[in-house]
Amino acid sequence: GENVEQHPSTLSVQEGDSAVIKCTYSDSASNYFPWYKQELGKRPQLIIDIRSNVGEKKDQRIAVTLNKTAKHFSLHITETQPEDSAVYFCAASTVTSYGKLTFGQGTILTVHP
Amino acid sequence: DTGVSQNPRHKITKRGQNVTFRCDPISEHNRLYWYRQTLGQGPEFLTYFQNEAQLEKSRLLSDRFSAERPKGSFSTLEIQRTEQGDSAMYLCASSWYQETQYFGPGTRLLVL
Repeated sequence: GENVEQHPSTLSVQEGDSAVIKCTYSDSASNYFPWYKQELGKRPQLIIDIRSNVGEKKDQRIAVTLNKTAKHFSLHITETQPEDSAVYFCAASTVTSYGKLTFGQGTILTVHP
Repeated sequence: DTGVSQNPRHKITKRGQNVTFRCDPISEHNRLYWYRQTLGQGPEFLTYFQNEAQLEKSRLLSDRFSAERPKGSFSTLEIQRTEQGDSAMYLCASSWYQETQYFGPGTRLLVL
């Protein structure tokens, strides 16, 4: 089955810096890659996603890049703010798995004012 | 509120007891997923429904776990003879086919 590895497990940055989180996946049939943000005690919330027919997607300060050949995708957050502090999860799914998401282990992002 | 809702939000039970959780998905969504999340880990897939049909169950789901989605609307997840290792957050999510999955707030289970 699919396996998703996420790095780093913790990331500490100063406000205004950029943050990058990387994930690799094992199933070459994976075609959908969402990123979720989870604050303490809250539900995971989608922040951005990308499908395999696209190499990059951007939404204001957040961007995701996908390299299908290398089977990895990354989340980029620019101009970080303290409210970006949370746990971020990457995930992958395939059409044949009916949308079942396989999640990475998570990255605890701390943005220091 | 048109989001995914789950009840109860918290459940404390004694080992060996049965518990049942409910998930109400976004009304127009045909797919409903159950995940389990333990502290410091990402959610792990348990099972999913398309309309009322349960189409896949994870190997994580022992015979003590059962899920239903009668009439393709709300879903219930039952754990029989609970064990301490069942303590976790149980998350429900819904989607329209392989579109975005929206998560509920979860039910936090503590087995004493």
